[in-house]
Amino acid sequence: NAGVTQTPKFQVLKTGQSMTLQCAQDMNHEYMSWYRQDPGMGLRLIHYSVGAGITDQGEVPNGYNVSRSTTEDFPLRLLSAAPSQTSVYFCASSRSYRVPEAFFGQGTRLTVV
Amino acid sequence: TQLLEQSPQFLSIQEGENLTVYCNSSSVFSSLQWYRQEPGEGPVLLVTVVTGGEVKKLKRLTFQFGDARKDSSLHITAAQPGDTGLYLCAGEHGQNFVFGPGTRLSVLP
Repeated sequence: NAGVTQTPKFQVLKTGQSMTLQCAQDMNHEYMSWYRQDPGMGLRLIHYSVGAGITDQGEVPNGYNVSRSTTEDFPLRLLSAAPSQTSVYFCASSRSYRVPEAFFGQGTRLTVV
Repeated sequence: TQLLEQSPQFLSIQEGENLTVYCNSSSVFSSLQWYRQEPGEGPVLLVTVVTGGEVKKLKRLTFQFGDARKDSSLHITAAQPGDTGLYLCAGEHGQNFVFGPGTRLSVLP
């Protein structure tokens, strides 16, 4: 059972570089989301998608882009990395936004130097 | 200001002790979820509570949803080192979900 797969697990970027964090789920879930987790802040929503072709901003969207061309994939793009984006990023999916139980990937630990 | 507050922020106890952690909000939620997160891993769902006053048990873990559906508690009986982790509560907010900051529990052998 793959569930939610995130790649890479670790990444170091230089300020100004761009990169894409990959997220794929094999459960045919409609709802997918990206969170960042910082010490003492809990999980903060970056972007989410209620279905293929539909995305929307969460609490902290600045500096990030997403797209949802298929049900399975929901990549997160960092346009021009900044040290403030150093964090652990989690992708999650659930059957729909009406079904609150979420499945999470293992996370990507990103360091921007 | 966080929509969901959790207390305590940190808790360190000895194996065999009982403990309760809390999740509070000024908003009403249609349901609340509890997750446990271990180091280097993503959160894993423990339970969903839906009805005000509802109590759910998962082995040594007891979850309660407040009557007004604004708060929830997690009680662990006879804690074990395997219970160590970050406990997060979450609730629906429009088309997405919000998380509390978590309670970091350490159970010492």
